[in-house]
Amino acid sequence: LAKTTQPISMDSYEGQEVNITCSHNNIATNDYITWYQQFPSQGPRFIIQGYKTKVTNEVASLFIPADRKSSTLSLPRVSLSDTAVYYCLVGLDYDIPTFGRGTSLIVHP
Amino acid sequence: EAGVAQSPRYKIIEKRQSVAFWCNPISGHATLYWYQQILGQGPKLLIQFQNNGVVDDSQLPKDRFSAERLKGVDSTLKIQPAKLEDSAVYLCASSPNLGTSAETQYFGPGTRLLVL
Repeated sequence: LAKTTQPISMDSYEGQEVNITCSHNNIATNDYITWYQQFPSQGPRFIIQGYKTKVTNEVASLFIPADRKSSTLSLPRVSLSDTAVYYCLVGLDYDIPTFGRGTSLIVHP
Repeated sequence: EAGVAQSPRYKIIEKRQSVAFWCNPISGHATLYWYQQILGQGPKLLIQFQNNGVVDDSQLPKDRFSAERLKGVDSTLKIQPAKLEDSAVYLCASSPNLGTSAETQYFGPGTRLLVL
């Protein structure tokens, strides 16, 4: 199982770009990297997924270097509503999905 | 498309009582997961079904927890008897079972359990 390491918490201000990095040194060749967002009193919600290089959608970008041992979730111009816990998951099909403690992002006015 | 439904949303019981949670996954999703999320921690997988078969239940405390997936669709998770440390949010998720690690899980709102 490719375990992940993320910062426990981050602080930012409205309008700034936030980058959250996840380390996954033991990622397997066929593993995808998936990020989820969780608001209080809600279940996690899929944000973005990638395998290599860069993926962008309407919510975020995901940067994956060539060695794939880490990934960075980028949230452009955050707002107060982006305050949440962000989890990165690696490899789901053959392993027990393991969320870890995630990164608690607090966006200040 | 309707999301994952769970009920009840909240439940308060006394220790040693029993409780059951219900989950209705997204239509057509073959894989169903039950997670336990204790305050301040990430979700912890309890059991994973594919259709009506168990894929993994290695982290399910089988002396008190049980789960079934009726006809490969709805699922129930039961705790009997409950302990104080079972106080948590119980999340149900489903996924289409793409057969790759690109699988994406869709979560329900969860059931918040308080054991007194």
